[in-house]
Amino acid sequence: EAGVAQSPRYKIIEKRQSVAFWCNPISGHATLYWYQQILGQGPKLLIQFQNNGVVDDSQLPKDRFSAERLKGVDSTLKIQPAKLEDSAVYLCASSSTSGRGYEQYFGPGTRLTVT
Amino acid sequence: AQSVAQPEDQVNVAEGNPLTVKCTYSVSGNPYLFWYVQYPNRGLQFLLKYITGDNLVKGSYGFEAEFNKSQTSFHLKKPSALVSDSALYFCAVRDIEDSNYQLIWGAGTKLIIKP
Repeated sequence: EAGVAQSPRYKIIEKRQSVAFWCNPISGHATLYWYQQILGQGPKLLIQFQNNGVVDDSQLPKDRFSAERLKGVDSTLKIQPAKLEDSAVYLCASSSTSGRGYEQYFGPGTRLTVT
Repeated sequence: AQSVAQPEDQVNVAEGNPLTVKCTYSVSGNPYLFWYVQYPNRGLQFLLKYITGDNLVKGSYGFEAEFNKSQTSFHLKKPSALVSDSALYFCAVRDIEDSNYQLIWGAGTKLIIKP
């Protein structure tokens, strides 16, 4: 079974530029999550999708961050314009929603450096 | 408020010795509990979970964890540590009543196994 795919793995941009990250979840997983992980901290949920609908985006900085999952499969997270404090690893995860006990499976992450 | 505490930023263990990584939680209802491991430049990997039943759960790579409801703890253990166990470990909890299936994450514990 293929895991969660993310690209790119690394990205370096200057502040005020824009950047986009892509995620393809495990086949059949209806729930998709985007997390931000700052060095030395636990993951922070940015947005959660159930199929192509948003379940929770309360911690997404909507003035600069946007995300979509148009066909209920892969997803894109965009930052525009980027700030220095956006430097972090962006993790995508997916899970089945057949039961609340199902674990999340994570991709390798995208390490973003904003200079 | 729901929360997870990992009281130790770092745990140092000699190879071959038993290891324990501590986790305590606070949720309003009953918990689902998870442990994940993160190796350098990698995404999070699922280790084990407690949903219901036996308080001692076994997971990947020889790890196990014991759910203690009275102490609201879910400590991760391994009888004999390997150098390759050195990584960042995260505890996470989900309230059984949470219909959004979101995880509350601890800040992580760095485990260092010395030869």
